[in-house]
Amino acid sequence: AQSVTQLDSHVSVSEGTPVLLRCNYSSSYSPSLFWYVQHPNKGLQLLLKYTSAATLVKGINGFEAEFKKSETSFHLTKPSAHMSDAAEYFCVVSGRMDSSYKLIFGSGTRLLVRP
Amino acid sequence: NAGVTQTPKFQVLKTGQSMTLQCAQDMNHEYMSWYRQDPGMGLRLIHYSVGAGITDQGEVPNGYNVSRSTTEDFPLRLLSAAPSQTSVYFCASSYSSLKRGYGYTFGSGTRLTVV
Repeated sequence: AQSVTQLDSHVSVSEGTPVLLRCNYSSSYSPSLFWYVQHPNKGLQLLLKYTSAATLVKGINGFEAEFKKSETSFHLTKPSAHMSDAAEYFCVVSGRMDSSYKLIFGSGTRLLVRP
Repeated sequence: NAGVTQTPKFQVLKTGQSMTLQCAQDMNHEYMSWYRQDPGMGLRLIHYSVGAGITDQGEVPNGYNVSRSTTEDFPLRLLSAAPSQTSVYFCASSYSSLKRGYGYTFGSGTRLTVV
């Protein structure tokens, strides 16, 4: 079975400092992994995805994530936080259920950005 | 480019009432699904459909019905609303569920309160 664990429910950073949101996954085969962002009272937007190509994946708005198989991790980073980055972030794995693939969500990490 | 459209955005129901949450997509996506989002639990899959005329249960299907008579529409019906169904509901679609790398497009959500 596939699962994801987001290690922090809340992360608080100052504007202009680096962001690190941690995610560990469990999968019985080579996974597809995603990061989604949800701004307050909005739907979910795809930030980036890993599908077994390059292990360092670049996404929108300056975010990137590195797939590390040995550590079963897919942490999300950004060099410099902006106030507009304040949102909830979900790490997601694509898991097989019956004959098709489903998205399995982590519990989310809320990012707070201080002025 | 509408993407995934959900209606209504907000709804208050009394216990025992029924209602239908609407979801429509204009991207000719094969796969559609319904999730509910509860604090600290990420998104959980309620029902999904891999094509017109085909539906199946997800992780938390009890109390909900779905149908898929057309490629575009995937309504979610609450048969007899209960306070435990108070949640934010998201509809999502994807080009295909047969390969694990496809991301999903999400609607903006329906916030449902059952009193």
